[in-house]
Amino acid sequence: NAGVMQNPRHLVRRRGQEARLRCSPMKGHSHVYWYRQLPEEGLKFMVYLQKENIIDESGMPKERFSAEFPKEGPSILRIQQVVRGDSAAYFCASSPEAPFYEQYFGPGTRLTVT
Amino acid sequence: DQQVKQNSPSLSVQEGRISILNCDYTNSMFDYFLWYKKYPAEGPTFLISISSIKDKNEDGRFTVFLNKSAKHLSLHIVPSQPGDSAVYFCAASASGRDDKIIFGKGTRLHILP
Repeated sequence: NAGVMQNPRHLVRRRGQEARLRCSPMKGHSHVYWYRQLPEEGLKFMVYLQKENIIDESGMPKERFSAEFPKEGPSILRIQQVVRGDSAAYFCASSPEAPFYEQYFGPGTRLTVT
Repeated sequence: DQQVKQNSPSLSVQEGRISILNCDYTNSMFDYFLWYKKYPAEGPTFLISISSIKDKNEDGRFTVFLNKSAKHLSLHIVPSQPGDSAVYFCAASASGRDDKIIFGKGTRLHILP
């Protein structure tokens, strides 16, 4: 049973470009969460999605950030017009049923904005 | 306002001894607590959890203790092994509510040979 997959593992973007981060949850998992980790910081919740629905996006910056989890395909975290402050590790997690039980994390995407 | 606090950024323990990682929380609505372990360049891995109806949960070398009145939990690792060197994150949630998991900033554990 493959774990949570994220790609790319490393992404370099220039200021003003768009970043697209992909997450494929574990087989049978229908809940996806995105977290951001800044240097020397813990994991900050960004958004919680179920198939085709955003359940909680209270941790998402109001502008430039969006997330989706379509019926088919991976979940996408999209950052438009990236700035240097967006440089961080972005982790995706999935869980099999009701939320806030054990979440299983992917390896993360390290975004560097130059 | 940090709801889950891990006040020790790092901890060094001799191999074979007991490692004790501490965590405090402020939100009395939290009733489910988790510990995750993270190696560099990898995602966090779920380690152990505890519900507020319990005060102890044990899984092999790992035991989590919960003191609800003090809003404090701790993770004990005994005996500590070199492979335990990692960052440990404490996390909490209000299960049954439409709420999120809140993570602490982590404690870096070094197991000394």
